[in-house]
Amino acid sequence: SQQGEEDPQALSIQEGENATMNCSYKTSINNLQWYRQNSGRGLVHLILIRSNEREKHSGRLRVTLDTSKKSSSLLITASRAADTASYFCATGVYGNNRLAFGKGNQVVVIP
Amino acid sequence: EAQVTQNPRYLITVTGKKLTVTCSQNMNHEYMSWYRQDPGLGLRQIYYSMNVEVTDKGDVPEGYKVSRKEKRNFPLILESPSPNQTSLYFCASSPTGTLYNEQFFGPGTRLTVL
Repeated sequence: SQQGEEDPQALSIQEGENATMNCSYKTSINNLQWYRQNSGRGLVHLILIRSNEREKHSGRLRVTLDTSKKSSSLLITASRAADTASYFCATGVYGNNRLAFGKGNQVVVIP
Repeated sequence: EAQVTQNPRYLITVTGKKLTVTCSQNMNHEYMSWYRQDPGLGLRQIYYSMNVEVTDKGDVPEGYKVSRKEKRNFPLILESPSPNQTSLYFCASSPTGTLYNEQFFGPGTRLTVL
C-alpha cells in the first residue's frame, strides 16, 4: 500500500514561530488526514482534506493539498510548547478501506 | 465519554506464550483496526474489520489473529509471540471505514516479548 512521506523529519522552532511540514504520496487518493501524537500516546485526528479540496483551516492549523504534485502541507501558526509532538499524514485511497500512514515529523517547540 | 480502550497498557511476556490484547469502543463504530508502531517505520496496519464477522489483512498480518464477534470489541491475538513483535500497538475505530472518516485511536499497548 502507498504511504505518505513527511518532510522534514524533525523540526525545532521557537514558541510563536510557524511550523510547516510536508507530506508526499504516490497514488491517487480520496482524502488525506493529519494526526498528532504526543510522546508514546495514541494519535489524535487534526484535520481531513478531501481530494477535491485545496485548502482547509482549523484553528491555528492550515492544510493544503496539491493532487497534481501528490503532496500536502500542514502549517501550524503561532506555535506553542504544547504543540511539541509527532505529526503524521495518512492517505485514504478509492476502493481501499485502509489508511496508509507516513513515518511522522517530530516537532519541538522551545518555550 | 466516547473512547477506544485497550488492555493491557503494558505487557512483558516470553516467546511462545499466547496473549490477547483487547480493544473496545463505545461509539457504535463499524470500522476497527490494529496498528503497530516501530521507530523509523511509522504506523503499519495489521488487520482491520469493516463490521461484525468481517476482517481483512493489513500490511503486516503475519503472526497475528483477530476476531470481530461483537461490534464494540476487536481483540488482537498473538498465538506464539516472538521478539520481533515487540512494539507499540494501537487500536482505532471509525464510523464507516476510512472514506472521509477520521479514526479514533486507543491509548496504546506497549508489548515486550523476551
